[in-house]
Amino acid sequence: DAKTTQPPSMDCAEGRAANLPCNHSTISGNEYVYWYRQIHSQGPQYIIHGLKNNETNEMASLIITEDRKSSTLILPHATLRDTAVYYCIVDTGGYNKLIFGAGTRLAVHP
Amino acid sequence: GAVVSQHPSRVICKSGTSVKIECRSLDFQATTMFWYRQFPKQSLMLMATSNEGSKATYEQGVEKDKFLINHASLTLSTLTVTSAHPEDSSFYICSVSGDYNEQFFGPGTRLTVL
Repeated sequence: DAKTTQPPSMDCAEGRAANLPCNHSTISGNEYVYWYRQIHSQGPQYIIHGLKNNETNEMASLIITEDRKSSTLILPHATLRDTAVYYCIVDTGGYNKLIFGAGTRLAVHP
Repeated sequence: GAVVSQHPSRVICKSGTSVKIECRSLDFQATTMFWYRQFPKQSLMLMATSNEGSKATYEQGVEKDKFLINHASLTLSTLTVTSAHPEDSSFYICSVSGDYNEQFFGPGTRLTVL
């Protein structure tokens, strides 16, 4: 079973920030939080990952709560091309298998 | 990140035939690659971990004699679906691990078995 819970779907207006939450209350000290997305009929795409500090790259920002039991992926200016299923995964990063849950289906609308 | 390609992108075959899917890491030497499959409207499920120069490690419930994996070089892993049946129709995706153990995925291969 996936170690994370995410809302099944979210909507966002184009140009606005999309904030995607993820709960991982059983995360252990050596587990990272990874975010991926999958656009329809394509392979998943790596977005970002973090351990305990907030992270930012050219695609998104990752905010991890101080107790590390939840996180939020932020797409600062969503576009129609950001419509996808977003997966939040916790993993030790040591070639452990990635367990994909159902993810959040984000729909960005004009 | 690593660039991963798969070939073919789409294949249709008759029941009972075998199909080979290639996964190439174009700019990264991958000692480990992963194979996933995804049925319609479902999430990805890991099938096996492919290790260069050694036998693959299969997940529980995945038949190793049906899904043959060969990882003969640092840039190529192949998945052969032997004696394919309609229930094997799925989206097969490979991935490689990057420097921080993030995974970079190929574009996927859609297999349809008639």
